[in-house]
Amino acid sequence: DAKTTQPTSMDCAEGRAANLPCNHSTISGNEYVYWYRQIHSQGPQYIIHGLKNNETNEMASLIITEDRKSSTLILPHATLRDTAVYYCIVRVAGGTASKLTFGTGTRLQVTL
Amino acid sequence: DTAVSQTPKYLVTQMGNDKSIKCEQNLGHDTMYWYKQDSKKFLKIMFSYNNKELIINETVPNRFSPKSPDKAHLNLHINSLELGDSAVYFCASSLNLEAFFGQGTRLTVV
Repeated sequence: DAKTTQPTSMDCAEGRAANLPCNHSTISGNEYVYWYRQIHSQGPQYIIHGLKNNETNEMASLIITEDRKSSTLILPHATLRDTAVYYCIVRVAGGTASKLTFGTGTRLQVTL
Repeated sequence: DTAVSQTPKYLVTQMGNDKSIKCEQNLGHDTMYWYKQDSKKFLKIMFSYNNKELIINETVPNRFSPKSPDKAHLNLHINSLELGDSAVYFCASSLNLEAFFGQGTRLTVV
């Protein structure tokens, strides 16, 4: 699985958009970009995934650059409950041997 | 209805004991995992099972033995517990693209 690089921490004011970047310059053509988050003392939670097109769901938007070497997770209106560690993971979809390899993630602090 | 449930949520035990953590998923997924999160918050995969068959074993000491009696259950048995086994253990299940995690079992070995 390709390696990812994320900033260690970020701050965001409540109500503003949180833009979390991720670099994955060695991504392969069949690897997807996944985002998970872990709120304190809870299990990781799936947010969104994409291959090359931008994606949006009820939680967030995922913007993937045309060369697929980087992506940005956007929380359009961050709330205090979005304070968490956000993990960007690159992996091949499906397959019985496929696994999620978590890095150190970005600790997002949403403040009043 | 909890999708992936683990029991117990907390477990405090002495060194040398044997303990088990149970995991059940009601999502109908084929694949289940065990992850370990240590005190530095690194999440590392330990095992993966697909349809009761071991697929991934990430060089975990053989004191750790997963058992999958059926597709919906993946239990983790740990023999001769050591201080370094103290961590939060997460069970997860997935169907291709999206993984669902349990709430974790905080194991403290004293």
